[in-house]
Amino acid sequence: EPEVTQTPSHQVTQMGQEVILRCVPISNHLYFYWYRQILGQKVEFLVSFYNNEISEKSEIFDDQFSVERPDGSNFTLKIRSTKLEDSAMYFCASSEEAFYEQYFGPGTRLTVT
Amino acid sequence: AQSVTQLDSQVPVFEEAPVELRCNYSSSVSVYLFWYVQYPNQGLQLLLKYLSGSTLVKGINGFEAEFNKSQTSFHLRKPSVHISDTAEYFCAVRVNNAGNMLTFGGGTRLMVKP
Repeated sequence: EPEVTQTPSHQVTQMGQEVILRCVPISNHLYFYWYRQILGQKVEFLVSFYNNEISEKSEIFDDQFSVERPDGSNFTLKIRSTKLEDSAMYFCASSEEAFYEQYFGPGTRLTVT
Repeated sequence: AQSVTQLDSQVPVFEEAPVELRCNYSSSVSVYLFWYVQYPNQGLQLLLKYLSGSTLVKGINGFEAEFNKSQTSFHLRKPSVHISDTAEYFCAVRVNNAGNMLTFGGGTRLMVKP
């Protein structure tokens, strides 16, 4: 069964460093998403991406964040200058169409020290 | 803004007992509703969804949920739980014609005891 994959599973970085989280969505899906879950808190929407552009984003997704689909398979989330409060589990998701269910990857745990 | 409330943060239950995990949402417009399960150290797996049609939806692993529009609820049920059902369960909502973002509840930890 096709699944969303994410790498790395755990990333440790120092405050102020740039990180790139990688995702490979399900191959025939057209819509891609990033969510995050700070420890002990709700899963929060960050951004959705379709047709090589951002279709919607939350207040969390400020200028420090960017997304990109650099090739036909990868979907990345970049945090330009990490802060301690960026420590969280980051989930990538994809869906076949706009209103179809979203399938989630296993997540990348980002720890900012 | 849309909100989703899962009233119970933890639900302990004995094996083979029935369980109901509660979910309420706030929206005056039509919504799509989902339940996801997160097993320890894993990602979110879709359990079931309500998009339209019958208000009783069946999902994987013997779970089902009932959409109640008047009570704005989407409670998850299973008639007989197994130890392997121990996990975190998340209710999520997407508002129709308001983008694709999912709004999640805080999660309910189901703890099945032998």
